[in-house]
Amino acid sequence: GENVEQHPSTLSVQEGDSAVIKCTYSDSASNYFPWYKQELGKRPQLIIDIRSNVGEKKDQRIAVTLNKTAKHFSLHITETQPEDSAVYFCAAKTGTASKLTFGTGTRLQVTL
Amino acid sequence: DAGVTQSPTHLIKTRGQQVTLRCSPKSGHDTVSWYQQALGQGPQFIFQYYEEEERQRGNFPDRFSGHQFPNYSSELNVNALLLGDSALYLCASSLWAVKYSNQPQHFGDGTRLSIL
Repeated sequence: GENVEQHPSTLSVQEGDSAVIKCTYSDSASNYFPWYKQELGKRPQLIIDIRSNVGEKKDQRIAVTLNKTAKHFSLHITETQPEDSAVYFCAAKTGTASKLTFGTGTRLQVTL
Repeated sequence: DAGVTQSPTHLIKTRGQQVTLRCSPKSGHDTVSWYQQALGQGPQFIFQYYEEEERQRGNFPDRFSGHQFPNYSSELNVNALLLGDSALYLCASSLWAVKYSNQPQHFGDGTRLSIL
C-alpha cells in the first residue's frame, strides 16, 4: 500500500522567514496530493492541493511543488506569521474516491 | 452550506464497551470516510462508504464496523473497546463520481474518544 513520509517533525522559524516541509510517497500511481493544517483541537483544514499533471501551484504565501520522478512533494510558506503556527500534514491519494494516506505531521512554530 | 458534522464531540467509555459515532456529510456529498487520529500522529484510514456499502477498508480489525444511510449520513461502531482505541475519530466527506475524484475531502471536527 501507499506510504507517505514527512520531514521535519518539528520546525521553528522566525516571523517573516520561509518554511519548507517535505514529503515522499511510495505509490507511483498516486495522483492527488493535499496539504492540511490542523490547529490544536480542531479539524484538519485543506490549505492547498496539487494534482499529478501539475508541477507547481501557488496561493498567496503558500506554494506546493511536485516531482513525480522522485516521488516527492513539498510545501513552501513564505513570510511566515504567528498564525501559521500549527501541525501540517501532507497526504497522497491513489485512484478515484479512495482513501488519503497521511504523513506523520510537522509541527511548525513561528516565533516573534 | 452545512459542512461535515459529527456527534458527539467527546465520549468516555471503559474497556470492553461498545460505541457508536455519527457523521453527516457536507451538503451535496455522497461518500463518507472515517479516520482515526491518535495523539501526535496523522489520521489513519479506517473505511469508506458509498451507496450504503463499504468500498474500501484500512488495516483495522473487525471490531470496527460502519453503516451508511440513504441520506448519506454514516455511523462508526467499535466493539470490545481497548485502551488503544483512545483517539480522535474524524469523518470526511467527498463525491464519488470519477470526474470529482481529485476534489478535496472535507473533515468534521471529530469525536474525541477516551477509553478508561
